[in-house]
Amino acid sequence: SQTIHQWPATLVQPVGSPLSLECTVEGTSNPNLYWYRQAAGRGLQLLFYSVGIGQISSEVPQNLSASRPQDRQFILSSKKLLLSDSGFYLCAWSVLVSAFFGQGTRLTVV
Amino acid sequence: GENVEQHPSTLSVQEGDSAVIKCTYSDSASNYFPWYKQELGKGPQLIIDIRSNVGEKKDQRIAVTLNKTAKHFSLHITETQPEDSAVYFCAATPNRDDKIIFGKGTRLHILP
Repeated sequence: SQTIHQWPATLVQPVGSPLSLECTVEGTSNPNLYWYRQAAGRGLQLLFYSVGIGQISSEVPQNLSASRPQDRQFILSSKKLLLSDSGFYLCAWSVLVSAFFGQGTRLTVV
Repeated sequence: GENVEQHPSTLSVQEGDSAVIKCTYSDSASNYFPWYKQELGKGPQLIIDIRSNVGEKKDQRIAVTLNKTAKHFSLHITETQPEDSAVYFCAATPNRDDKIIFGKGTRLHILP
């Protein structure tokens, strides 16, 4: 069966520090991969999605970036965090159409 | 591109009553419509889905209906229970390589 791993679960980082969130999927090949951000009590904002290794589409201008170094690995990064980067970050994967989410990372920038 | 509107943003129903959440979409090429439930502090979980060649699908107390002509689909929860309290998201997607478009979510409160 397929599983998705996202870590860490919580993270507190100072303003200006770098960020790296990692997501890996097991049990499937060539999935579509997604990074979403969710502000408190709000909807799902799509940040990046990828249909293959090295293929990244960015949905909103920001100081975040994403990379897909391997088929089932998706990384969200920032060189310098802003206060506004605080939120709940979710990784998801899909094959065909159904999407499945990780458990999320709650990032607090202080 | 696809745009999904979801209503209401908040819904309170008495335990045992039914709850209905409605979504509309804009892209007639969309052919798959999943619904997700998100509990506090967790990632959304797929609870039911429907494809464009089906008008209705039911799974125990949960049902989804789809009207392709009107481009709207709905989630129906009957005999609501306290554990149904959560945020629910609808979504639409046209094909495999297109990103999944989510509605803004409905916060459902089940009142004792």
